[in-house]
Amino acid sequence: GESVGLHLPTLSVQEGDNSIINCAYSNSASDYFIWYKQESGKGPQFIIDIRSNMDKRQGQRVTVLLNKTVKHLSLQIAATQPGDSAVYFCAEGGGSYIPTFGRGTSLIVHP
Amino acid sequence: EAGVAQSPRYKIIEKRQSVAFWCNPISGHATLYWYQQILGQGPKLLIQFQNNGVVDDSQLPKDRFSAERLKGVDSTLKIQPAKLEDSAVYLCASSLDRGLTGGPSDTQYFGPGTRLTVL
Repeated sequence: GESVGLHLPTLSVQEGDNSIINCAYSNSASDYFIWYKQESGKGPQFIIDIRSNMDKRQGQRVTVLLNKTVKHLSLQIAATQPGDSAVYFCAEGGGSYIPTFGRGTSLIVHP
Repeated sequence: EAGVAQSPRYKIIEKRQSVAFWCNPISGHATLYWYQQILGQGPKLLIQFQNNGVVDDSQLPKDRFSAERLKGVDSTLKIQPAKLEDSAVYLCASSLDRGLTGGPSDTQYFGPGTRLTVL
């Protein structure tokens, strides 16, 4: 069946480095993608989204890249800070835009 | 602006018991969602309300789960009877609109969740 998955379950980086979190999706009909950040004991928090008619979108310290050819998207976090430590989920939306979440990647930032 | 409120934050019950969770969405948000998040997994949508009507409950195990949003504001999710596999965090989210345009009005805001442990 269709699925949204992540390449790496855990990513460890040093404070100040750039982080890249990857995500693969299999539903070619998906046309909306969202990245969420979930800190321990909290609900997911919207970070950034991108529609399928775009390849790149930038926010504050974050950039999402979408490669529709290989059904891959990534979240880049510039100058990673300890406060960025969390689980990051990519989610895909079809026609209804209700997100279907993948498993998540745990980002650990070392001071 | 107040966020999505949920209670209780934690609940421990024995299997075959009943449990109920409460959610108060952000004021003015027409759409309300309940998700189940099993440890180590992403949230899975259980049910979506638009005002007081159900939009999507295709993944709700209706033999034991029920949810209502009678006045189009607060919502309750009930499990009766609970099973061991129901142990999870139950997240409530709300959005202005019902997720059909992918714009800012569809952005979901999540509450802190209720962590349920079934023994």
